[in-house]
Amino acid sequence: NAGVMQNPRHLVRRRGQEARLRCSPMKGHSHVYWYRQLPEEGLKFMVYLQKENIIDESGMPKERFSAEFPKEGPSILRIQQVVRGDSAAYFCASSPVGQGAGGTEAFFGQGTRLTVV
Amino acid sequence: GQQVMQIPQYQHVQEGEDFTTYCNSSTTLSNIQWYKQRPGGHPVFLIQLVKSGEVKKQKRLTFQFGEAKKNSSLHITATQTTDVGTYFCAGPNQAGTALIFGKGTTLSVSS
Repeated sequence: NAGVMQNPRHLVRRRGQEARLRCSPMKGHSHVYWYRQLPEEGLKFMVYLQKENIIDESGMPKERFSAEFPKEGPSILRIQQVVRGDSAAYFCASSPVGQGAGGTEAFFGQGTRLTVV
Repeated sequence: GQQVMQIPQYQHVQEGEDFTTYCNSSTTLSNIQWYKQRPGGHPVFLIQLVKSGEVKKQKRLTFQFGEAKKNSSLHITATQTTDVGTYFCAGPNQAGTALIFGKGTTLSVSS
């Protein structure tokens, strides 16, 4: 059973370009979370999706950022018109059930390190 | 908003010494989880605590959940160089839609 797969592992974009980060959750997991991590910082929650639905996007900037989790294929975090401040590690996590009612272990992918030059 | 705080931010120990990190939540938690992230790596789940006052052990690691379910601690006995990394605590947000992470405690160990 493969773990959470993220690609690319490293991504370099020039200011103004678009960045697309992909995440395939563990088999059987329909709950996907995206987190952002700046150097020596914790993990900041961005968005929570459950197959085709955005459940909570309260941590995601209103502009330039969007996320989807289509019926078929990986979850995508899309950043339009990237700026230097978007440089960070972006982690995707999945779980078999949601974090409500007792919670559950979240399985993290290896992350995408985005560098904006 | 809901906050999860951890202290200390950094801790350096000599191999063989003990280490403790503390976690405090601004709200009561239904459960608390601990994760470890090695340098350059990704967070890996260690344990989940659910009950008030719960104590769980994993070899040299002891995890505790406070009586009020707002604080927790991780204690490592006789650290080894393999313990190096950042330890995060995390609890569910009020809506139960995500885990809120502390900023972590980064442990370094010298031999």
